[in-house]
Amino acid sequence: ELKVEQNPLFLSMQEGKNYTIYCNYSTTSDRLYWYRQDPGKSLESLFVLLSNGAVKQEGRLMASLDTKARLSTLHITAAVHDLSATYFCAVGIGQFYFGTGTSLTVIP
Amino acid sequence: NAGVTQTPKFQVLKTGQSMTLQCAQDMNHNSMYWYRQDPGMGLRLIYYSASEGTTDKGEVPNGYNVSRLNKREFSLRLESAAPSQTSVYFCASSENRGLDTQYFGPGTRLTVL
Repeated sequence: ELKVEQNPLFLSMQEGKNYTIYCNYSTTSDRLYWYRQDPGKSLESLFVLLSNGAVKQEGRLMASLDTKARLSTLHITAAVHDLSATYFCAVGIGQFYFGTGTSLTVIP
Repeated sequence: NAGVTQTPKFQVLKTGQSMTLQCAQDMNHNSMYWYRQDPGMGLRLIYYSASEGTTDKGEVPNGYNVSRLNKREFSLRLESAAPSQTSVYFCASSENRGLDTQYFGPGTRLTVL
């Protein structure tokens, strides 16, 4: 059974600080997706990582993929309140397998 | 483009009642999916339809049925609702199955009493 684990599950950080969310998965895949979900809302696609070493950046968020380590990271630079949300990674192997999510709260 | 739409947004059922959740997409996608989201468990795939005319079970299909009515529409039916089916249900679509980015609808919040 494929397992996708995110950590931390909950993250409270101050504005202006940096932090990283980790996504580990248990089987080989070279497709990794990051989504954002605001409270009570749907999921919005952030990044698609399609190969080992892939790096994507959008604003204060940067995602990377290491397929050999079966690890993806979502790095937050100089956090702002608007980044408060739950972030999900999903591994694509025939279908999507989602992690449990990381609930991020950015405190002013 | 509305993207992926779902109806209803909220629903309360009594145990044993039945209902159908509707989903439609206007992106001409081939594949459609139904997920449920429960606290602390991420999203779990209930059923999917890789293309019009086909449906397959996902991770948690028990208690549900689906119909791919046409390329645009994919419905999820609960024949006899149980409290364990209290959840938020999301429909999603992608150009093709499995590897393309999935686009999600706004969700249906279902409570079974």
